[in-house]
Amino acid sequence: NAGVTQTPKFQVLKTGQSMTLQCAQDMNHNSMYWYRQDPGMGLRLIYYSASEGTTDKGEVPNGYNVSRLNKREFSLRLESAAPSQTSVYFCASSKGLAGGQTQYFGPGTRLLVL
Amino acid sequence: SQKIEQNSEALNIQEGKTATLTCNYTNYSPAYLQWYRQDPGRGPVFLLLIRENEKEKRKERLKVTFDTTLKQSLFHITASQPADSATYLCALDRESGGSYIPTFGRGTSLIVHP
Repeated sequence: NAGVTQTPKFQVLKTGQSMTLQCAQDMNHNSMYWYRQDPGMGLRLIYYSASEGTTDKGEVPNGYNVSRLNKREFSLRLESAAPSQTSVYFCASSKGLAGGQTQYFGPGTRLLVL
Repeated sequence: SQKIEQNSEALNIQEGKTATLTCNYTNYSPAYLQWYRQDPGRGPVFLLLIRENEKEKRKERLKVTFDTTLKQSLFHITASQPADSATYLCALDRESGGSYIPTFGRGTSLIVHP
């Protein structure tokens, strides 16, 4: 039982390049999330998926797209990376979007955009 | 606007003492409040959840209080140990179209000195 896994662990991009961050969970959770964490800013929600087949914008969606490939997998795509997207990205999952749901986080992807 | 405030300054305490961390919020009426622990280079890990009708919740050396009048939660670690050194995040649910999306504070760093 691996929980939430993310790939890659670390990535360096040049401005304008694209990449996809992968996330998978094996807990049969319905809801999945992508956050970014910057020093002094805390965790900010980029996109979330309430259930398979649905996605919604979070607090900071600009410059990102997501795909809920199936119940297990939720990917985050940067179409044209910018230095402002240098951050640590966390994927998380929960049973659903009812109140008080515990979130389970992956280990994070550190992204550096030059 | 909705805000979650945690002390941005690190809390330094001596081993064996009780650490108390604060989470204040405005413009929320949360039914639940959660606390997470985050170690450097890792994703947050769930610690405790408290409901609005619960004044206090305990788990081993951890205690959380929730005062909906003061709009504040206190997180206590008794008999603190150097291994308790980490960043602690509080999280509240933000209601959005019938769903509840967790929103995180920026976290407070705790440093326990031997």
